[in-house]
Amino acid sequence: EVQLLESGGGLVQPGGSLRLSCAASGFTFSSYGMSWVRQAPGKGLEWVSGVSGSGGSTYSADSVKGRFTISRDNSKNTLFLQMNSLRAEDTAVYYCAKDDSNGDYGPNWFDPWGQGTLVTVSS
Amino acid sequence: EIVMTQSPATLSVSPGERATLSCRASQSVRSDLAWYQQKPGQAPRLLIYGASTRATGIPARFSGTGSGTEFTLTISSLQSEDFALYFCQQYNNWPTFGPGTKVDIK
Repeated sequence: EVQLLESGGGLVQPGGSLRLSCAASGFTFSSYGMSWVRQAPGKGLEWVSGVSGSGGSTYSADSVKGRFTISRDNSKNTLFLQMNSLRAEDTAVYYCAKDDSNGDYGPNWFDPWGQGTLVTVSS
Repeated sequence: EIVMTQSPATLSVSPGERATLSCRASQSVRSDLAWYQQKPGQAPRLLIYGASTRATGIPARFSGTGSGTEFTLTISSLQSEDFALYFCQQYNNWPTFGPGTKVDIK
């Protein structure tokens, strides 16, 4: 069974940094692209960043470009999201999600998703 | 950016009835369209990809149609566990999601 378990969320001040992790199991991690998708409280879904299975290609939404960095450690089956210069509008539940392909050409559909980790940016 | 819209925002349906949800893309996404179901406090669950292919384990009462800019998710006979929020997502370009349709009990 595929399992994704996020961690690292919490309360951070505007301008601060946070690093999210997603531990994966139940599949050959290095063969699949992975993404982070966020959902602000009571709002819809926004794709944030994606990375190919090898880690050689990364993709980010314009709203986080230059502030967030996605990476992965295939030896530890773990996905990361380094978030810098955080803003109030980054407040959301952050989900990691497995892509259906190796992600070399960008993200496709997502299945499954982790349970999410809440990031709150507030002073 | 491809903008996705969904209608209606809320759909009130009685158990056993049919529900029809619409999703529209601001430009053609071919058949690069997925549907997800989300229940309160839970992560989204994939229902449909490729506009019409059911994901593993999804009951046959869920079906998807459409291509280009117009898509439909149909739930043929609503069960109690189907009352939830439904999102569409295109992946023809960088992924974008619709705002969702809430299916609630009439």
